[in-house]
Amino acid sequence: GAVVSQHPSRVICKSGTSVKIECRSLDFQATTMFWYRQFPKKSLMLMATSNEGSKATYEQGVEKDKFLINHASLTLSTLTVTSAHPEDSSFYICSAREDTLAGAKNIQYFGAGTRLSVL
Amino acid sequence: GENVEQHPSTLSVQEGDSAVIKCTYSDSASNYFPWYKQELGKRPQLIIDIRSNVGEKKDQRIAVTLNKTAKHFSLHITETQPEDSAVYFCAASNNGNQFYFGTGTSLTVIP
Repeated sequence: GAVVSQHPSRVICKSGTSVKIECRSLDFQATTMFWYRQFPKKSLMLMATSNEGSKATYEQGVEKDKFLINHASLTLSTLTVTSAHPEDSSFYICSAREDTLAGAKNIQYFGAGTRLSVL
Repeated sequence: GENVEQHPSTLSVQEGDSAVIKCTYSDSASNYFPWYKQELGKRPQLIIDIRSNVGEKKDQRIAVTLNKTAKHFSLHITETQPEDSAVYFCAASNNGNQFYFGTGTSLTVIP
């Protein structure tokens, strides 16, 4: 099946630093990728939709200057948490929606997630 | 925007019994409803999905039903096994453009 690779799996950083998370579709192209945040024992909260070659679409309440998204190719989207603070500590998961000749299949494949801890 | 509610939040069943998880959604434009299983420490995995032009879909022990008029859909797992224990999420999407998740159901199958 389709594979999505997400790196790093775990990052610990000091408050005020920036952290970049990569999401790659390994064996398929994905014009659209999604970034989620998941709190312990909670659901996945959609943060933003990443579109290749255009600006990301952010959900209400998500600071676009805080969470920078770049989707420069059909297989890579990055999320940069700028000037991270302890309240940004969370589990971030990306997913990629496979492109098909007939249009998007709607199915999204998830990365393994990134555990961010800001000290 | 879309609001997806999911019940129950926790569910315990005896092995061999059935489990039912229910979700409601608010946006009538939503037309794709996937269900995901997430085991502890692992990524969500798609287990079944249904589109709005279908009322029911079945895959072995798993089935999903959709009532568009009432805006609710349900996951049914029959003959449950211990390996079915996990957190299950429903989601609603408009043509796969965004996915909005329910709050999750922690299912425990007691051997």
